[in-house]
Amino acid sequence: QVRLQQSGPGLVKPSQTLSLTCAISGDSVSSNSAAWNWVRLSPSRGLEWLGRTYYRSNWYHDYAVSVKSRITINPDTSKNQFSLHLDSVTPDDTALYFCASGWHFRDWGQGTQVTVSS
Amino acid sequence: DIVMTQSPDSLAVSLGERATINCKSSQSLLDSFKNKNHLAWYQQKPGHPPKLLIYWASIRESGVPDRFSGGGSGTDFTLTISSLQVEDVAVYYCQQYLEVPLAFGGGTEVEV
Repeated sequence: QVRLQQSGPGLVKPSQTLSLTCAISGDSVSSNSAAWNWVRLSPSRGLEWLGRTYYRSNWYHDYAVSVKSRITINPDTSKNQFSLHLDSVTPDDTALYFCASGWHFRDWGQGTQVTVSS
Repeated sequence: DIVMTQSPDSLAVSLGERATINCKSSQSLLDSFKNKNHLAWYQQKPGHPPKLLIYWASIRESGVPDRFSGGGSGTDFTLTISSLQVEDVAVYYCQQYLEVPLAFGGGTEVEV
């Protein structure tokens, strides 16, 4: 059973960077059969996949076009976790953010409500 | 990019009645090598993460009641709740995982 535990601030100022972390238990961020994703939910956009990282002898990253110029998802093998960094946020980035594993998402983090406001 | 379109946006169903949600993809989700459709369904309740109900278009996730069923192939899919219970009130989403960018439908709100 994979468990994902999210952490990070719930309030970010406009133009700053949103940073969240997802700690993994029950699997390895370096697993050759897993993928580690970030997804957000907002009233205006519904569920939106943001991107993922996965390891297949090398590290790979895929990002949604809507955030591609602003997003970084990084693995941290020493802590068995992965992170989301979203630069230059605006109020439109206000959402409930989730980490999730796989291609169809069986395991999810608990969610972090992030509000972008000064 | 694959675009997922759900219908209807919302659905009012009496308790014990059938609810059917439609999901259409802009291109086929059938993987000819695996002979499987890369389509999943989720149930989402306020303040909670989405819950996986169905994957490979028709495989029910462990622990999901058998009143939930998924069907369809190619570009047209359905999620059916055979006898709506009060705990099924939620928003339902389809998702394609054939290729990146992964994509969700816009959601269907099911209410009593």
